[in-house]
Amino acid sequence: IAGITQAPTSQILAAGRRMTLRCTQDMRHNAMYWYRQDLGLGLRLIHYSNTAGTTGKGEVPDGYSVSRANTDDFPLTLASAVPSQTSVYFCASSARGFDPYNEQFFGPGTRLTVL
Amino acid sequence: AQSVAQPEDQVNVAEGNPLTVKCTYSVSGNPYLFWYVQYPNRGLQFLLKYITGDNLVKGSYGFEAEFNKSQTSFHLKKPSALVSDSALYFCAVRDPNRDDKIIFGKGTRLHILP
Repeated sequence: IAGITQAPTSQILAAGRRMTLRCTQDMRHNAMYWYRQDLGLGLRLIHYSNTAGTTGKGEVPDGYSVSRANTDDFPLTLASAVPSQTSVYFCASSARGFDPYNEQFFGPGTRLTVL
Repeated sequence: AQSVAQPEDQVNVAEGNPLTVKCTYSVSGNPYLFWYVQYPNRGLQFLLKYITGDNLVKGSYGFEAEFNKSQTSFHLKKPSALVSDSALYFCAVRDPNRDDKIIFGKGTRLHILP
């Protein structure tokens, strides 16, 4: 069982380019999340999805979009990358529907550099 | 608004000594509290959680945390530190009265000195 996979592992991107970070989980979890991790700021939620077909905005959603066409996949798209989006991006999932108790499982992360 | 604070950016502890990593929170209702650990170049791993019941919660790798409602704290503890415990630790809180998103603290880097 792989858990959560993210691709690519790292990427250097020119400003203005479009980029999609991929996230796939094989645990059949209802909920999925995207975070960015920046030094001194901890983890900040970008977008989330409670179940396939629904998405919601987190703390820092501007410049990012997500889709949840099925249970397993939750891609994050940067429509026009800017240098402030340089960060490490983590995808996570949890086995919640309306149960808030369950912990989140995290992917290995994608290190993105926007020049 | 819900929030969580980790007042120490870094904690240094000698191997074999007890360790404490501090966390305080602010929520409108009864909190759900979590601790996660992050090793270098890895994603976060769940350590333990408090939902209800006993204030002392035991988790993975010998860690435990004590929920203190009057002090709104959820400090992470371990009786005897190992060098392999060196990592970045995150406290997180979910307010069940608001929405289903977890708020993470900024993290505390734990250094265990041999």
